[in-house]
Parts: sequence; C-alpha cells; structure tokens
Amino acid sequence: AQKVTQAQTEISVVEKEDVTLDCVYETRDTTYYLFWYKQPPSGELVFLIRRNSFDEQNEISGRYSWNFQKSTSSFNFTITASQVVDSAVYFCALSEAPTGANSKLTFGKGITLSVRP
Amino acid sequence: EPEVTQTPSHQVTQMGQEVILRCVPISNHLYFYWYRQILGQKVEFLVSFYNNEISEKSEIFDDQFSVERPDGSNFTLKIRSTKLEDSAMYFCASCRGDSAGNTIYFGEGSWLTVV
Repeated sequence: AQKVTQAQTEISVVEKEDVTLDCVYETRDTTYYLFWYKQPPSGELVFLIRRNSFDEQNEISGRYSWNFQKSTSSFNFTITASQVVDSAVYFCALSEAPTGANSKLTFGKGITLSVRP
Repeated sequence: EPEVTQTPSHQVTQMGQEVILRCVPISNHLYFYWYRQILGQKVEFLVSFYNNEISEKSEIFDDQFSVERPDGSNFTLKIRSTKLEDSAMYFCASCRGDSAGNTIYFGEGSWLTVV
C-alpha cells in the first residue's frame, strides 16, 4: 500500500527566510508519480509540480525547488526567500499508476506554513 | 487556462437531506474524481470515474454516495441521506489520462455543512 508522510505539521518563518518542507513516501511500485499541491486560506488545491519515478533530476521554478531522492524515498520542497503569500498548507501526494483511472492520489497530512512579515 | 469548476461553493443542509454537488471538469479530460477533506485533515480519495462508469472507489464511498455524468460536461456527486460526519470540503478533479498528462487538477471545492 502507498503512504505519504509529512512529519512536519506546522512551520513558521519570517519573510525572506528559506524553508524546506519534507515528504517521505512508501510504495511497492517501480513506476509512480509524486506531486506537491498548495492549499491557500481560500481552500482550493493548486497544483505545483509532478515528478515521475524515473526522473531524479531536481527542479527549480522561480523561488521553488524540489529535491527528489529515490534512495531515501523523499521528495522535499524548498521555498527560497519566502513571502507572506506563501502562507498555506502544502500537501505532498503519490500516485502509483502512470496514467488513467487508477491515478488516484494518496495525500500526506499537509504542512501548514506561516510566513510572518 | 482551463480549470475545473464546482458549484455550489458552500451548502448547508439538514441531516438526512439529499445533496448534489456539481462539477464541470476540464473539457479534454477523460478521468474524473471526487475527493473529500474533513476540516483540518488530509485530502482523501472517494471515487474515480472513466468511460461513464466508476473505475475505483474507496471504503468511504458507501451506498449513500453516487456519481453521474448526466451530459457531456457535468460530473455530479450525490449524497443520498446526509450525516453530520459528511461535513467536509468536497473536491472534484480531472485528468487527461495519457502518459504526458496525468496531472490531476482540482476545482476550488464545495464546502458542505450538515446540521
């Protein structure tokens, strides 16, 4: 069975600090996808990134970067120079099927990030 | 940018009443989902739907729940007789389903309060 663990529950930082959100996953499949979603106070789930299990290259998008390490089953998310607008709940999620109807997501419990001015 | 839209954004209903939550998935997507998030908890899978039938459902999705795609654009979740514990945010989601496009996109959610 698949499982996603986000051990951190709440993180509070001051604006401009860097912050890393941890995600550890478990799966028996060799093909899987990892995701991060952001849930701002308004409640919607905003897609941030998808990474497949064959691509261990780290990715950077503006102030966001992701570090995927299969050896430790981790997919960590770093926000550089955090801003107040980054305050949200961040969910890591796993999908075991590459495509289609079985692409259901298993979510972690989420990390509440508060960025103070 | 295409998006998943959901109505209503918030509904309050009496226990025992039927509720229908509506969703319009992204137009070229083939796979549709409902997820649920009880306040302060993680997002949980309810059901997936493809080719006009349920492809998978969780243990949460019991006989009180049903889904339907009544026409070419809408995707609905019906709760037949609501219970207090059904109070949650319900997210509709859709996915294109091919190997290049299996990202699941979520709507803004429908907040259901059962009183």
